[in-house]
Order: sequence, then structure tokens, then C-alpha cells
Amino acid sequence: QKEVEQNSGPLSVPEGAIASLNCTYSDRGSQSFFWYRQYSGKSPELIMFIYSNGDKEDGRFTAQLNKASQYVSLLIRDSQPSDSATYLCAGSGSSNYKLTFGKGTLLTVNP
Amino acid sequence: DAGVIQSPRHEVTEMGQEVTLRCKPISGHNSLFWYRQTMMRGLELLIYFNNNVPIDDSGMPEDRFSAKMPNASFSTLKIQPSEPRDSAVYFCASSLLTGGETQYFGPGTRLLVL
Repeated sequence: QKEVEQNSGPLSVPEGAIASLNCTYSDRGSQSFFWYRQYSGKSPELIMFIYSNGDKEDGRFTAQLNKASQYVSLLIRDSQPSDSATYLCAGSGSSNYKLTFGKGTLLTVNP
Repeated sequence: DAGVIQSPRHEVTEMGQEVTLRCKPISGHNSLFWYRQTMMRGLELLIYFNNNVPIDDSGMPEDRFSAKMPNASFSTLKIQPSEPRDSAVYFCASSLLTGGETQYFGPGTRLLVL
């Protein structure tokens, strides 16, 4: 079964620090990867997607993809209390439409 | 743009009753997804429609679950009869294309089956 694995956390960082969220996947055919943020009681919202090896930066967020190691990460610089949420990693898989989600990592940023 | 609309937002029902969840995707999106989220299993894809046609229903747990998309702006997910283990948050999501494009989620329906 194709899986996406994440550390469930919780991950706790102080305000202003770098938060590092990690994800591994088993389907080598996966093409695209997505990071969603989900606040408690809310729906997932897309933060970033990445499909090429290397880094992709968007403001305080950097996504990293290493297809050889089947590893995806999300770095949040200058973490803010408003970043406290569950972060879901998802891979598109070889089917290209079907996203397989990890169970999420709960991040808490302490003021 | 209104985003994905789901109704009801909350549903409490008794075991054995029929439950119907509704979704209106973002206008112009041609792909629609129904997901179920629980603490134990996370976010699971139930069914995927493309251009109103069910493409992949392999995630539908059993025959008690059915989904329809009669037109491009409306979809339903029905559970009949409902069971306590169906209690979860059900999300509808839509996307513009079929190539692993960004999926936009609705607010979800929180279902509790007593």
C-alpha cells in the first residue's frame, strides 16, 4: 500500500525559531507533493507544492524534495504563534490525481 | 469566489438513519473529491469524480456509502444505513484539472452517529 509517513509530533518550537517538518513516501511514482495546513476544526488549506528535486521558497516557507531518498520537508522560518496547526504532507502518486495524505504533524509555536 | 460549499456543517443522527452530505465545487473546476478524516486513519479519499463521472471509488468503505454528481455544480455523499463508526469529518474538495493539481477543500461536515 502506498503510504506517506509523518512524525505525529507534537513539535514545539519557540517563536522566531525554524520549524522543520518531515515526510517520507513509499510510492516512487509520485510526481508532486503538497503541504497543507489545518487549524483545529478547520479544513486543510494549501501552503506549497513541489515537484522538482531541490528547494522551493515562498516567503517564510521552504519546501524541499529529494526523490532519491523519497523525502519531503517543510521549513518554516521565523515561526509565529499563528503557525500553530497540523501540517499535512500529501503525494500525488503515479495516478496523478489521487493524493495520499500523511496523518499530519501538530506544530505548536510558543510565544 | 465562494470556494467549495458543503452542507450541512454538522449532522447528528441515530444509527440506522440515512445521511446525505452535499457539496458545491468551485465554479469551473472539473474534478471533485470526497474525503473522510478521523483521528485514527487521517484523511482518506473516498471517491473521485472527473467531469461528473466517478473515476475512482476504491476508497468507499462499503455498499452503505454511495456518491453522485448529477451536474458540474453539485455532488452528494449518502450513507444508508449509518453506523457509529461512520462518525468523522467529511470533506469535499475540487480542483481545476486532473494532473495532480491543487485541491481546494470545503469547510467539511462533522458527522456524529449515535
